[in-house]
Amino acid sequence: AQSVAQPEDQVNVAEGNPLTVKCTYSVSGNPYLFWYVQYPNRGLQFLLKYITGDNLVKGSYGFEAEFNKSQTSFHLKKPSALVSDSALYFCAVRDMSYSGAGSYQLTFGKGTKLSVIP
Amino acid sequence: DTGVSQDPRHKITKRGQNVTFRCDPISEHNRLYWYRQTLGQGPEFLTYFQNEAQLEKSRLLSDRFSAERPKGSFSTLEIQRTEQGDSAMYLCASSAGQGFTEAFFGQGTRLTVV
Repeated sequence: AQSVAQPEDQVNVAEGNPLTVKCTYSVSGNPYLFWYVQYPNRGLQFLLKYITGDNLVKGSYGFEAEFNKSQTSFHLKKPSALVSDSALYFCAVRDMSYSGAGSYQLTFGKGTKLSVIP
Repeated sequence: DTGVSQDPRHKITKRGQNVTFRCDPISEHNRLYWYRQTLGQGPEFLTYFQNEAQLEKSRLLSDRFSAERPKGSFSTLEIQRTEQGDSAMYLCASSAGQGFTEAFFGQGTRLTVV
């Protein structure tokens, strides 16, 4: 079965510094990987995805993520953090074990709370 | 607003009562998903529709839960005989296009069972 681990419950970073939110995954077959962000009282917002192609994926709001197959990781990064980036970040992987064709469900990690300190 | 819309936003109910939530997906999105999120956890998949057909259901979905998407547009999620453990945020999402694409989530319905 597929799984996602976000090893840090919280990440604190100073405004203007680079940020990294970590994600590792376990899945059979080629992974479909996603990052979502959740602001207070708002729904999950899609940031970026990796399905195939370049290992460095660029997404919304200046975020990017690096797919590393050997380390089974998909860390979220941003060169310069903003206070407005403070939110809850979720990594997710598509279930590829469903009858060989791939499921349409995502398995989410528990989330990482990012706090950007002014 | 052309995003995913969920109604109501909040629901407080007594244990044992039935509740129904509605989701209106983004127009022309053929896929619709329901997830449940509890405090401190990521969303958990409940069920998935392609048009009006319910194609996937989580093994976590008990018989008290039922979902419909009668005309391939809006969807309803009903919970019968609610239990305190059903208290959670119920999220709806929709997606479109060929193959597996990113889903767009609504703001959710927060259910509190007292």
